[in-house]
Amino acid sequence: AQSVSQHNHHVILSEAASLELGCNYSYGGTVNLFWYVQYPGQHLQLLLKYFSGDPLVKGIKGFEAEFIKSKFSFNLRKPSVQWSDTAEYFCAVTSDQKVTFGIGTKLQVIP
Amino acid sequence: NAGVTQTPKFQVLKTGQSMTLQCAQDMNHEYMSWYRQDPGMGLRLIHYSVGAGITDQGEVPNGYNVSRSTTEDFPLRLLSAAPSQTSVYFCASKGRYTEAFFGQGTRLTVV
Repeated sequence: AQSVSQHNHHVILSEAASLELGCNYSYGGTVNLFWYVQYPGQHLQLLLKYFSGDPLVKGIKGFEAEFIKSKFSFNLRKPSVQWSDTAEYFCAVTSDQKVTFGIGTKLQVIP
Repeated sequence: NAGVTQTPKFQVLKTGQSMTLQCAQDMNHEYMSWYRQDPGMGLRLIHYSVGAGITDQGEVPNGYNVSRSTTEDFPLRLLSAAPSQTSVYFCASKGRYTEAFFGQGTRLTVV
C-alpha cells in the first residue's frame, strides 16, 4: 500500500523567507506525484505535478518541486513567500489511479 | 466546462437521518472518489470507483455507501448519520494521465 509523509505540520515564515516543505512517499512501483494547495474555506487546487521527465517541476505562483527517486521524496520549494501563500499544502501520490494524500502542512506567512 | 460539481455546499443533519451527497463530472474520467477532511488528519479516502459499475472501499468506509451507475455520477450516501460524520467532504475525479480534480466541498454537521 502506498503512503505519504509530510514532516512539517505547521510552518510559520516571514514574508520573503524561503520555503521548503518535505514530502516522502512509500511505494515500490511507478508513481505520479502532486502538490495541492487549499486556501481557507476552499477546495484543493493543483500547484504542480510530476509524471515523468525532468525531475525538477515548476508550478504556479513560483512554486517548484524536485523528485528524487532514490530518496522517495518530492519536496516543495519557493524562494520567497508572500502573505498570500498562507494556506494548507498537501502532497499526494498516485499509482493505478488511487490517490493518497499526506496529512498536510499549514503554512502561515507573517507580513 | 463545469469540471466536478458537488452538492450541497452545506448540510445539517440530525443523528439517524440519511442523506445523499451528489457528485458529477463532465470530463469523462474513469476514476472518482470521495474523501473526508478533518482537522489534523488530512484527506482520508472513503470510497472510490475506477469505472461505471465498479466501486471499492477506501480507508474509512463505515457508515457510507456509494454507487456508480454512470461514468458521470458518483453519489455518496450516509445511511444513518452520526456526530462522528461531521466533516468536510470532497468528491474528486481523475483521468488516467491527469491530476485529480476536486469539487467545492460539502460541510456536513450532524447534531
